[in-house]
Amino acid sequence: AQTVTQSQPEMSVQEAETVTLSCTYDTSESDYYLFWYKQPPSRQMILVIRQEAYKQQNATENRFSVNFQKAAKSFSLKISDSQLGDAAMYFCAYRGNFGNEKLTFGTGTRLTIIP
Amino acid sequence: DAGITQSPRHKVTETGTPVTLRCHQTENHRYMYWYRQDPGHGLRLIHYSYGVKDTDKGEVSDGYSVSRSKTEDFLLTLESATSSQTSVYFCAIRDDRDGNTIYFGEGSWLTVV
Repeated sequence: AQTVTQSQPEMSVQEAETVTLSCTYDTSESDYYLFWYKQPPSRQMILVIRQEAYKQQNATENRFSVNFQKAAKSFSLKISDSQLGDAAMYFCAYRGNFGNEKLTFGTGTRLTIIP
Repeated sequence: DAGITQSPRHKVTETGTPVTLRCHQTENHRYMYWYRQDPGHGLRLIHYSYGVKDTDKGEVSDGYSVSRSKTEDFLLTLESATSSQTSVYFCAIRDDRDGNTIYFGEGSWLTVV
């Protein structure tokens, strides 16, 4: 069974600085999808970024980028120029590609932005 | 915005009563899901649907049933609510036109007293 591990329950960063959130996963599959979701106090789950495992290039979305290391099964999220609105819980999630409809989530990292 | 609407958004019910949560989508997505979120567990899949009248169980399906009689609506029913089903419930869709990304609704807060 696939597992997703987020080893940092809480992180904090100064406004305008850069922070990296860690995520590792365990799978025997070769093709899969990885996601980072943001959950602000409103509890809405907002997609931040996604990565297809077959793509070697790391995904980027504005200030958000990932470092995808397939061999190491690592999928970290880098937030540049941190803003107050980035404060939230961040969840890493895994989904297999063939007949596997379940998103497996990590337990989350709570990110605090220090003004 | 993936065009997902959940109702009700908040509900308090008594143990033993039936409860139905509704998920409505406007973009004709084939796959729809129900997840629950509890402290320390992240989100866990309850049931999902891959078409009208086509559903399957997730990892925490006991005590829940689902129905999908129309593409746009996916209903989650708690036949006899228990306190352990107090949770936040999220509906989601899979957007096959957007890299198979899963998008979530805003959540339904259910309290069973």
